[in-house]
Amino acid sequence: EVQLVESGGGLVQPGGSLRLSCAASGFTFSDVWMDWVRQTPGKGLEWVGRIRTQTDGGTADYAAPVKGRFVISRDDSKNTLFLVMNSLKTEDTALYYCRVWINNSDYWGQGTLVTVSS
Amino acid sequence: EVVMTQSPATLSVSPGERATLSCRASQSVSNNLLWYQQKPGQSPRCLIFGASTRATGIPARFSGSGSGTEFTLTISSLQSEDFAVYYCLEHSGWPYTFGQGTKLEIK
Repeated sequence: EVQLVESGGGLVQPGGSLRLSCAASGFTFSDVWMDWVRQTPGKGLEWVGRIRTQTDGGTADYAAPVKGRFVISRDDSKNTLFLVMNSLKTEDTALYYCRVWINNSDYWGQGTLVTVSS
Repeated sequence: EVVMTQSPATLSVSPGERATLSCRASQSVSNNLLWYQQKPGQSPRCLIFGASTRATGIPARFSGSGSGTEFTLTISSLQSEDFAVYYCLEHSGWPYTFGQGTKLEIK
């Protein structure tokens, strides 16, 4: 059974940093691209970024609002996806999901809440 | 960036009736479109991929159609569990973009 479990959310001040993790199980993590998606009441769902497999280069793509501030990485030995968020802004407040597409099926974690506020 | 526009924002339909939800892309996305359902407190669930293929375990009352810039999600006979928010997502390039959602409510 595919499982994705996010952690690391919390309250952080504007300008601060946070690292989110997504522990994956039930599939061969190193074989798949992974995604981060966030959701806010005001802006709805927004794709944050994606990371390729090492075979495909291991690089990441980012949405414009987070490019240069957020970094996606992966540790295939630990089946874990990361999202490091720097220079956080109040508009980054959201529920952050990790997501994977495998064999024409779509899997999401339950999300971890990030609140950016002073 | 492709802009996805869903209509209507809210749709009121009685159980047992048909619901038709629309999604329009600002430029062609071919058939690179997914439909999601989201209920309160839950993560989004994929209903349709490739614009018209039902995901595993999705009931046959859900169907998707369209290509290019115009897409439709049809729920043929609404059940109580279908009242939720529905989103379209295009993934023809980068970044992927969602529509703003259609809330399907009980009439």
